[in-house]
Amino acid sequence: DGGITQSPKYLFRKEGQNVTLSCEQNLNHDAMYWYRQDPGQGLRLIYYSQIVNDFQKGDIAEGYSVSREKKESFPLTVTSAQKNPTAFYLCASSIGASGGLSTDTQYFGPGTRLTVL
Amino acid sequence: GDSVTQMEGPVTLSEEAFLTINCTYTATGYPSLFWYVQYPGEGLQLLLKATKADDKGSNKGFEATYRKETTSFHLEKGSVQVSDSAVYFCALTTGGSYIPTFGRGTSLIVHP
Repeated sequence: DGGITQSPKYLFRKEGQNVTLSCEQNLNHDAMYWYRQDPGQGLRLIYYSQIVNDFQKGDIAEGYSVSREKKESFPLTVTSAQKNPTAFYLCASSIGASGGLSTDTQYFGPGTRLTVL
Repeated sequence: GDSVTQMEGPVTLSEEAFLTINCTYTATGYPSLFWYVQYPGEGLQLLLKATKADDKGSNKGFEATYRKETTSFHLEKGSVQVSDSAVYFCALTTGGSYIPTFGRGTSLIVHP
């Protein structure tokens, strides 16, 4: 079955440590996204990528970094510069530009809950 | 810029009650409109969508009609079930961009 996988489901980090969240998709989608979800604040876009080897900052990119070396993979690193990293992180993908822009549906992974100890 | 406003929750209903979750939007051009649902501890999944004015999206007993004159896309269901308890997000995309703008989400709690 096609879909998006995120690992791990739960992640604990000590202050001052970097940590990388995995996101893999086998939907052959061009576009991938990372969102942060905090209670009562909906979804906030961290980074997105429209194509391999290219990515753009979203609304809250400070303290995060990404890479897109393969079409299937879009890992997110939460660095020690992120002041309040405890949150639920969601990865998503969509067909992207090749599929028709404005009707694009997003497909989400199950999420990773990061807790800073 | 584009924005989506949803009614604040939680919305608490008894099983078999009628559901309405309001969603209004501000956008340039002619947006496509979406409802996503997030069950506890999971990611979001598409519930329904509509891509032009007067279109009705429907799925699993849920419906929403794209009302351009009132810039609204209210979600309705005639008879909710306990299993419908979740957070519902309204979203839009506009021509030239497939990056969606999401509302803040509305939590629905259905009691037996």
